[in-house]
Order: sequence, then structure tokens, then C-alpha cells
Amino acid sequence: ETGVTQSPTHLIKTRGQQVTLRCSSQSGHNTVSWYQQALGQGPQFIFQYYREEENGRGNFPPRFSGLQFPNYSSELNVNALELDDSALYLCASSLDASGFTDTQYFGPGTRLTVL
Amino acid sequence: TQLLEQSPQFLSIQEGENLTVYCNSSSVFSSLQWYRQEPGEGPVLLVTVVTGGEVKKLKRLTFQFGDARKDSSLHITAAQPGDTGLYLCARPPGNQFYFGTGTSLTVIP
Repeated sequence: ETGVTQSPTHLIKTRGQQVTLRCSSQSGHNTVSWYQQALGQGPQFIFQYYREEENGRGNFPPRFSGLQFPNYSSELNVNALELDDSALYLCASSLDASGFTDTQYFGPGTRLTVL
Repeated sequence: TQLLEQSPQFLSIQEGENLTVYCNSSSVFSSLQWYRQEPGEGPVLLVTVVTGGEVKKLKRLTFQFGDARKDSSLHITAAQPGDTGLYLCARPPGNQFYFGTGTSLTVIP
């Protein structure tokens, strides 16, 4: 069984640029969530996709957008990058979007640095 | 806005010592999860607690859910260097997922 993978591992961009991060879900999982994690802090929920539809969103501006594909892989797009966007971006997949005790499986993250 | 406050924020102890990490909220949880995150990796689920007053043990780790389901604690007995990491509590309310502020633990050999 393949776990959650993310690409790229590291990325350096300049302010104002756009970036796309990618995530492959664990086999059989139809839900993917994206998080932003500043150094030493807990992850902040960005949004969740369930069967290719956005299924919930945290307190992030519209320049953070996403896609989920029929194979349940996912992209996170960030436009007009700002210095504060520098963080570790995590994706997590789960079997479904409904469970209060549902288990999420996290990828290793993409470290984004905005200069 | 962090709905889950963890304390302490940082903890550095010697191998063999015991420690407790706390997770508090003003809201009632339907359930709560604890994760550990090691450097360069994503969080890994340790346990889910669902019932108020519930106690779960995972080897040297003991997790307790408060009777009112508004707080939780993680106790580690005889800490080892392999326990080093960021400990996160999380509240999974359906299609959103709230993590706590995190406790960074360092166990010194």
C-alpha cells in the first residue's frame, strides 16, 4: 500500500509569483485536506476536497485554491505569493469526509520559502 | 484562531524523566486525537479518544480525555530520545480539522 506522497520536497519562490504543490493520496482514499504549518506550530487547515469537490475551507484568502482529480490526487495553488506564505504545506488523505474519528494520513510536506 | 491550547509550548527533559502535556479548549469535543510529528515528516496519529473520562495507553504513553470532554492530557513515562518531536492534539469536527498549538518535546540522552 502506497502512502501519501507530496512534491516537490522543497521550493523557493519570490514574492508575487504563483506556486503549485502536488499530493498523491493513499490508495483507496477519496478525501484530501491541505494544511499550512509555520515552524514549531500546529498545522492550520486550508481546505478539504471530497470526491473532487471542495468540502470545507479554513480562514485562508481566495488566492489559495485547490483541485482534486478523478484519481483523488490533489493540487494546492497559491497566487501572488507573500513572504508570510513561507511554511510547510501538508496534505492528508482519509477514507471519507464524514467521520468524527476518521484517521488522516499525512504526507511529509512541501517546504515553501518565499523571498 | 487556535481553538485548542497546548501547554507547555516547549519541553526539554532528560532521558528517563516523566512528563505531561495538556490540551485545553473552552468548547466540548465529540472526540480528540493526538499526533506526533518528527522533523521533516507529517504528523502521525497516536490515539483517538471519544468518551469523557476515557484513558488509553500506548506503551509508555497514557492519554486521558477529560470528563467534560473539553480537555485532554498525554503523559509519557520514562521518556526516551525517540520520543522527541512535536506533539499535537486535534479536534476532528467533520469536514474541518483543528490542531492545537503544539508541544515541542526534546529528550536529552
